[in-house]
Amino acid sequence: EPEVTQTPSHQVTQMGQEVILRCVPISNHLYFYWYRQILGQKVEFLVSFYNNEISEKSEIFDDQFSVERPDGSNFTLKIRSTKLEDSAMYFCASCGLADSNEQFFGPGTRLTVL
Amino acid sequence: AQSVTQLGSHVSVSEGALVLLRCNYSSSVPPYLFWYVQYPNQGLQLLLKYTSAATLVKGINGFEAEFKKSETSFHLTKPSAHMSDAAEYFCAVSDDRGSTLGRLYFGRGTQLTVWP
Repeated sequence: EPEVTQTPSHQVTQMGQEVILRCVPISNHLYFYWYRQILGQKVEFLVSFYNNEISEKSEIFDDQFSVERPDGSNFTLKIRSTKLEDSAMYFCASCGLADSNEQFFGPGTRLTVL
Repeated sequence: AQSVTQLGSHVSVSEGALVLLRCNYSSSVPPYLFWYVQYPNQGLQLLLKYTSAATLVKGINGFEAEFKKSETSFHLTKPSAHMSDAAEYFCAVSDDRGSTLGRLYFGRGTQLTVWP
């Protein structure tokens, strides 16, 4: 069964460093998302992406964040200068059908900022 | 913006007992509604979804949920809990029905513990 994959599973970084989180969505999907879950809190929407551009972003997704689909398979989230409060589980999701909005989630990348 | 309220951050049941996890949403239009399950160290797995067909939705692993517009609720139930049901459950609502890119709004989650 097709699935969304994410790498790495766990990333530890120093405050101020850049990180890139990688996702491989399901191959025929066209809509891509990033969410995050700070420990003990809700899963929160960050950004959605379609047709090679951002469709919507939340207030969390400030200038420190960017997304890219560099090739036909990967979807990346970059945090330019990490802060302690960026420590969270980051989930990638993809969706193939606009009329069902059924988003398939990856296993997540746990980001720890020291 | 939508919001989702899950009553009870922790629910404990005995094996074989009824599972009831509560979810209420706020929406000005009938939304798409979802229940996801998260097992330890894993991602979110879709249990079931409501997209305007039958109000009683059946999902995987014996779970079902009923959409009640008058109560703005979408509670998740299972007649008989199994040890393997122990996990965290998230209710989610889509941003805009029919939108091509609807973001999901999640509740805080309910941790289900099943006692032998």
